[in-house]
Amino acid sequence: QVQLVESGGGLVKPGGSLRLSCEGSGFIFSNYYMTWIRQAPGRGPEWVSYIGTSGGSIYYADFVRGRFTISRDNAKNLLFLEMTSLKSEDTAVYYCARQLNWFDPWGQGTLVTVSA
Amino acid sequence: QSALTQPRSVSGSPGQSVTISCTGSSSDIGRYNYVSWYQQRPGLAPKVIIFEVSARPSGVPDRFSGSKSGFTASLTISGLQAEDEADYYCCSYTGTHTWLFGGGTKVTVL
Repeated sequence: QVQLVESGGGLVKPGGSLRLSCEGSGFIFSNYYMTWIRQAPGRGPEWVSYIGTSGGSIYYADFVRGRFTISRDNAKNLLFLEMTSLKSEDTAVYYCARQLNWFDPWGQGTLVTVSA
Repeated sequence: QSALTQPRSVSGSPGQSVTISCTGSSSDIGRYNYVSWYQQRPGLAPKVIIFEVSARPSGVPDRFSGSKSGFTASLTISGLQAEDEADYYCCSYTGTHTWLFGGGTKVTVL
């Protein structure tokens, strides 16, 4: 079945960096746009970034532009999110999702905690 | 850009119908038919239950329905069941290759 599995979350100090990964299986990964969405504790989801099939189209939410970088490796069915200059307000569960004109499915999420 | 506006909570008895509203603007819901709804149970990832305003993925019960009028989208759950107790989020494309979610509505089955 279609499945996405994130990894790479953890505790990081303000100003630090972290790299998230998402492995896709059960579908032709290279045929789909992929996206990162985050959800802070007790809040609704926030769209973060998406990347086109070949990596040529990339877009970011204003609150991460210049700090986060999305990329993909289609040969390995992997999606990445490189996060730098992390702030406390970046604390959230980060989900990867397959993007059509909606998001389906979502991975199980990986928790990123930014705290001193 | 502010989140789409949803009521914090709605409730109903089993068998009743409840409707959740999601209000945006002329830049998102009012302009595009790319409105989707997600159900999230505690500790789990959101799952799509409505896409493109009113389409239902296979496997989603037909008691879930979606609609849109002007700047407001709506999700209706007909014949409420105990298993429908969850958080629900709307989402809309906003143009400029970005997406906006609502703040979420907690559905309680009395």
